[in-house]
Amino acid sequence: GQQVMQIPQYQHVQEGEDFTTYCNSSTTLSNIQWYKQRPGGHPVFLIQLVKSGEVKKQKRLTFQFGEAKKNSSLHITATQTTDVGTYFCAGPIGNDYKLSFGAGTTVTVRA
Amino acid sequence: DTEVTQTPKHLVMGMTNKKSLKCEQHMGHRAMYWYKQKAKKPPELMFVYSYEKLSINESVPSRFSPECPNSSLLNLHLHALQPEDSALYLCASSLRDRAYEQYFGPGTRLTVT
Repeated sequence: GQQVMQIPQYQHVQEGEDFTTYCNSSTTLSNIQWYKQRPGGHPVFLIQLVKSGEVKKQKRLTFQFGEAKKNSSLHITATQTTDVGTYFCAGPIGNDYKLSFGAGTTVTVRA
Repeated sequence: DTEVTQTPKHLVMGMTNKKSLKCEQHMGHRAMYWYKQKAKKPPELMFVYSYEKLSINESVPSRFSPECPNSSLLNLHLHALQPEDSALYLCASSLRDRAYEQYFGPGTRLTVT
């Protein structure tokens, strides 16, 4: 079963506003990865976080890995229409390090 | 080159047909994956190849048969599929099979009639 949980499932955002999506694991993760899938597209790797408490930024996107390495967040500031899509977090789990994907947060933007 | 290519883009097949999906990468990655993705769901792992050997089979029905002819190519052979197998089939690759980031191809949109 799914071991990486992600909320919210849907995020409807007014253009220019900020939002955050959250990811939680039942176990400690060696790393957390974030992917973006545009409508009709395929998942595209955004970033990987490895260290406890790590924070990384990509323009308007801020990614954070929790101190216990069990949770992560993606914060987007000043949302634009180009941010539309589904954002997945994913973490390697188990002895064979299979990537477990969260359910995804689907973002729509009101102009 | 960070591209994973997949053919065909779209495939419609009957339940008695045999078809194959193809995937190729030239990034020197030694792990390759097949995922199945249904609408509004995350990718669901099917198979993992590591150094051209099958390392993970997620209890996938035998009507799906993977093949890795060499380190750059991955095939998925389809036979006697069911309508519920209709989905987006994604190929991905990573440097190694342990917790590395994965690069996905554009997928094959499969419809089983």
